[in-house]
Amino acid sequence: AQSVTQLDSHVSVSEGTPVLLRCNYSSSYSPSLFWYVQHPNKGLQLLLKYTSAATLVKGINGFEAEFKKSETSFHLTKPSAHMSDAAEYFCVVSAGKLVFGAGTILRVKS
Amino acid sequence: NAGVTQTPKFQVLKTGQSMTLQCAQDMNHNSMYWYRQDPGMGLRLIYYSASEGTTDKGEVPNGYNVSRLNKREFSLRLESAAPSQTSVYFCASSEGRADSYEQYFGPGTRLTVT
Repeated sequence: AQSVTQLDSHVSVSEGTPVLLRCNYSSSYSPSLFWYVQHPNKGLQLLLKYTSAATLVKGINGFEAEFKKSETSFHLTKPSAHMSDAAEYFCVVSAGKLVFGAGTILRVKS
Repeated sequence: NAGVTQTPKFQVLKTGQSMTLQCAQDMNHNSMYWYRQDPGMGLRLIYYSASEGTTDKGEVPNGYNVSRLNKREFSLRLESAAPSQTSVYFCASSEGRADSYEQYFGPGTRLTVT
């Protein structure tokens, strides 16, 4: 069985500072991992995905995530936050069907 | 291209009423999905259709039925609505298996059951 845990329900950063959203997963075999973003009152949009190629995955809008098998983690980072990054972020694990984490709400302060 | 469209955007039902949520995609995708989103729980899969003519239960199928009307359309029906079904419902589609292909989401339907 697969599961995913997002370690922070809320993260607050200042504009221009780094972003770190943490995700740990559990899977009985090599999973595919995703990060999706949801802006207020919108559907979800794919940020990036890991499917057993390079462990450092680059996504849209300057986000990237590193797959660390030894730590069962897939944390999302961005060097410099922008106001438009304020949204809810979901870490997702998959083997056939997607299992979503509970979400992390990112707040960006000016 | 409109992508994934959902109707209605908002709906209020009384307990025991029935309704159908409509979803259509214009990307020629094979797979379609229905999720519900509740605060602090992420998205949970209700039903999915891997290809036209097939449907399968997801994590939380009780109280729902689905129809894959054709390749474009995938509807979700609540036969007898309950307050526990108050949620935001998202339809999604993908070219193939969810673990290999990006899912594209509709804007959601906000359902309140009183």
